Amino acid sequence: EDQVTQSPEALRLQEGESSSLNCSYTVSGLRGLFWYRQDPGKGPEFLFTLYSAGEEKEKERLKATLTKKESFLHITAPKPEDSATYLCAVQVNSGSRLTFGEGTQLTVNP
Amino acid sequence: KAGVTQTPRYLIKTRGQQVTLSCSPISGHRSVSWYQQTPGQGLQFLFEYFSETQRNKGNFPGRFSGRQFSNSRSEMNVSTLELGDSALYLCASSLTLYEQYFGPGTRLTVT
Repeated sequence: EDQVTQSPEALRLQEGESSSLNCSYTVSGLRGLFWYRQDPGKGPEFLFTLYSAGEEKEKERLKATLTKKESFLHITAPKPEDSATYLCAVQVNSGSRLTFGEGTQLTVNP
Repeated sequence: KAGVTQTPRYLIKTRGQQVTLSCSPISGHRSVSWYQQTPGQGLQFLFEYFSETQRNKGNFPGRFSGRQFSNSRSEMNVSTLELGDSALYLCASSLTLYEQYFGPGTRLTVT
């Protein structure tokens, strides 16, 4: 069974304090690993897709990396508007469904 | 380009009733997936439709069903509602097998 575990469950940072979120996964045949951002009461917003170990993608203050067992979402000099729940999901070769982790709730204080 | 739209946004139903939720995908997207999000279980996959055919199904009881129309719009139906069906129901559309773009969700409350 595909498993996705995110840590920490919650993270509180000061504005400008860089950190990383972790997503570890156990799947058979990874097709892609996805990062989403979700604000309260809204649907998840697509951030990145990573397909193979060693791949990196960046968007503004966010950088996602992938190894064979885990992915990291690095947040550089975060701002209060980066506060949200960050979700990691995997898709395997056998289908289209996404299997999600429980998410990391990030709070950035000014 | 308009995003994924879902109607209604909020719904209150009574146990035993049935409900139909609607999803309009991004123009040109032919795949529509449905997910249930609850505080205890997180985001869980319900089913996926592509070209009016159910292509994939999650581990939910038969009370949960869906369909897709020729214009790619999709509906999901939940019959004989239970208190545990209270959740945010999310629809996602995709052009390929990869990136899925989510709508704002329908918040269903069962009393």
